[in-house]
Amino acid sequence: QKEVEQNSGPLSVPEGAIASLNCTYSDRGSQSFFWYRQYSGKSPELIMSIYSNGDKEDGRFTAQLNKASQYVSLLIRDSQPSDSATYLCAVNKEYGNKLVFGAGTILRVKS
Amino acid sequence: DAGITQSPRHKVTETGTPVTLRCHQTENHRYMYWYRQDPGHGLRLIHYSYGVKDTDKGEVSDGYSVSRSKTEDFLLTLESATSSQTSVYFCAIMGTSGSNEQFFGPGTRLTVL
Repeated sequence: QKEVEQNSGPLSVPEGAIASLNCTYSDRGSQSFFWYRQYSGKSPELIMSIYSNGDKEDGRFTAQLNKASQYVSLLIRDSQPSDSATYLCAVNKEYGNKLVFGAGTILRVKS
Repeated sequence: DAGITQSPRHKVTETGTPVTLRCHQTENHRYMYWYRQDPGHGLRLIHYSYGVKDTDKGEVSDGYSVSRSKTEDFLLTLESATSSQTSVYFCAIMGTSGSNEQFFGPGTRLTVL
């Protein structure tokens, strides 16, 4: 079992729709959860951090965390073609200052 | 912009040659990381550093060594490059807020022929 799992996609949504990206993790001691966006040929860019159960909203982005189910998700409202990218989920390991990354979900927003 | 630069940005080398990649940061961050990114594998940690001369292995450290003689520089060395080390290499720093957030450099694309 991978430590952080994501559906590789591609996930295709029409412009203006809600894109829902999901991630599960195996380390129950994890406390910090992150979503990165990576455009083709570029480096990952941190877009959301979440540390406690529930929802966290930032503009068109909402991160959702459920530690009991070991599940974290990212919702993108009013999706735009510029949101087309690979989205990486990252989770800290219980001990030390290290992150484990999922393989990423490719999102395609069609205009 | 976390003030991270990587050099070189692109490199083509031959099997068996030594290669050193450099990561430079300007904001005095304590933690620095080296990752490689390959299709289907996402980002995998090679080595990391938690201070000058303090380093530790990540999940894919075989064939790599690192050094950190100054806070601002973290070097990744492939002693004898192999074709399996063809990859994109990213350096990252941990922000100083204690939040475990990491910020990435622009990356180095390495091709080993």
